[in-house]
Amino acid sequence: DIQMTQSPSSLSASVGDRVTITCRASRGIKNYVAWYQQKPGQVPRLLINDASTLRSGVPSRFSGSGYGTEFTLTISSLQPEDIATYFCHNYNNAPHTFGQGTKLEIK
Amino acid sequence: QVQLVQSGAAVKKPGASVKVSCKAPGSTFTKYGISWVRQAPGQGLEWIGWISASNDNTNYAQRFQGRVIITKDTSSNTAFMEMRSLRSDDTAVYFCAVDYDWFDPWGQGTLVTVSS
Repeated sequence: DIQMTQSPSSLSASVGDRVTITCRASRGIKNYVAWYQQKPGQVPRLLINDASTLRSGVPSRFSGSGYGTEFTLTISSLQPEDIATYFCHNYNNAPHTFGQGTKLEIK
Repeated sequence: QVQLVQSGAAVKKPGASVKVSCKAPGSTFTKYGISWVRQAPGQGLEWIGWISASNDNTNYAQRFQGRVIITKDTSSNTAFMEMRSLRSDDTAVYFCAVDYDWFDPWGQGTLVTVSS
């Protein structure tokens, strides 16, 4: 199985900060990565698929990049409503695997 | 946007089985595969398995092989995930999701509690 190592596990940042979350795959997975946002008590929300395709309705301050084994989710200017846990998702082959999550808090 | 509606919370004893349903409008299940994912309390996401759109082909994570069965009923637009021989560490919220490779949208989740 492909392991997705996500870092950091938690992050405290100020409103307006640029925030970057990283996922490393245990072997190359092309661009078959999605990113989800999950607020407490809510369902995961798809933000990005195919490593960098921003979903409709997702604010443009979110962006994704990467190919092969290293992937990043960037929030260009952190807003209070971005407080959530973020997960990366490998769908290169079954089994699908997820990163452990990054809990984002406001400083 | 497709909305997936899951069955309600369940409380089961160790060793029992649970069957969670996931209903979608229209012909979703003839067009898109459905994956099941679970999330233990305060934990991350774990993929359980998938059922094909076009037929009844399934694929399961190895750790659930032989303990989980995923089925669908296209006449009622409902997918099902049945887990047997429940243990306390199966306590989790179980989600269905439309599987385009990425998952979107997700059902609202079903809390399954396994407790004696």
